[in-house]
Amino acid sequence: QLVQSGEEVKKPGESLRISCKASGFSFTTNWIGWVRQMPGKGLEWMVIINPVDSDTRYSPSCQGQVSVSVDKAINTAYLQWSRLRASDTAMYYCARQGSKGLAFDIWGQGTQVIVSS
Amino acid sequence: DIQMTQSPSSLSASVGDRVTFTCRASQSIGTYLNWYQHKPGKAPKVLIYAASSLQSGVPSRFSGSASGTDFTLTISSLQPEDFATYYCQQSYSMPYSFGQGTKLEIK
Repeated sequence: QLVQSGEEVKKPGESLRISCKASGFSFTTNWIGWVRQMPGKGLEWMVIINPVDSDTRYSPSCQGQVSVSVDKAINTAYLQWSRLRASDTAMYYCARQGSKGLAFDIWGQGTQVIVSS
Repeated sequence: DIQMTQSPSSLSASVGDRVTFTCRASQSIGTYLNWYQHKPGKAPKVLIYAASSLQSGVPSRFSGSASGTDFTLTISSLQPEDFATYYCQQSYSMPYSFGQGTKLEIK
């Protein structure tokens, strides 16, 4: 399973790191992705990282806006912002990319991020 | 980047109905197409992978098919727990984009 960190309420300009801890499977076998759902909107594929070598692929809309990392020692992936904006308000899901069709087969419960002054 | 277009954006149906969702890719993606169900307050759940393969544990009333760049998800007989939003996703070329979703509502 994937267990994400809890809800965050932050101000514009602040930094933030949210986490996604894996258990029950080999963390280095599968890529871990992040998916965003902004209020009233659909799912948006943001970024994916290979825990083996931290190879990372961003969507064009997220490139330069967020960064991802992993800590293999504790089977945890991170999504972070250096300067939050109100438009970062969203639900963020981490998910495991499975081998079957490269679909996201295991999902975290989601982390709500609220950015408001 | 590959664009995924779902239709309709919303759909009203009754328990027991047969419903079909459509997803079109902007270019050829082979069968690298996945379908997800998303309910409010829950994490999305994969239903179909590789266009037509049923994910383990998913009821057999769900099925998927492909024809060129057009893909369909069919629910053969709607159950009360099926009312949700459904998304397609291509996993052919990164970024592995989602469609905009189809919201299935109770008639």
